[in-house]
Amino acid sequence: DAKTTQPNSMESNEEEPVHLPCNHSTISGTDYIHWYRQLPSQGPEYVIHGLTSNVNNRMASLAIAEDRKSSTLILHRATLRDAAVYYCILRDVGTGGFKTIFGAGTRLFVKA
Amino acid sequence: SQTIHQWPATLVQPVGSPLSLECTVEGTSNPNLYWYRQAAGRGLQLLFYSVGIGQISSEVPQNLSASRPQDRQFILSSKKLLLSDSGFYLCAWIPGDRPSYNSPLHFGNGTRLTVT
Repeated sequence: DAKTTQPNSMESNEEEPVHLPCNHSTISGTDYIHWYRQLPSQGPEYVIHGLTSNVNNRMASLAIAEDRKSSTLILHRATLRDAAVYYCILRDVGTGGFKTIFGAGTRLFVKA
Repeated sequence: SQTIHQWPATLVQPVGSPLSLECTVEGTSNPNLYWYRQAAGRGLQLLFYSVGIGQISSEVPQNLSASRPQDRQFILSSKKLLLSDSGFYLCAWIPGDRPSYNSPLHFGNGTRLTVT
């Protein structure tokens, strides 16, 4: 399975944009990039996903590098409620995406 | 609407005792089902996944087992718990009628297990 690499932690100020990076240098052409976040004592929740093009939804934006070896989750205005662990994962068309493996993620701290 | 139920929310069990955690999904048919475990301060570890009734794939050899007796029911079991089995157990699902690689995982609220 292709792996992802994320910084262990990041810090942001409230109401400022946050750019969470993810490296996936061994990504295959059939891997979808998914992002989830986990608030304390809760299960992860889906944030966004994409294949090649940048994606926007009400929660965040996903910027995917042209060579697809990295991506960035963008929170446009961080709030205290965005403090969570953010996971970047790859879902493979070839295996049907069944084996969804999570890494350690990035713990985001938001300062008031 | 589609919902996932996991119970119990918390559980304290002595070493050597059996375990049974249950997960059910409502509002969908033939979902792909997953069991994850998260040790304190760690990431999520995939334990088992299932693409249909009676079909279980194990990712980590250990003293845990999983079963899927019905389409929307997924059970995690152990005959004898170890201290290292403590953790946050999460059930998740993906709609079975769409390509799973392009579908978000939906997680339950989890069971916090403490083995004493």
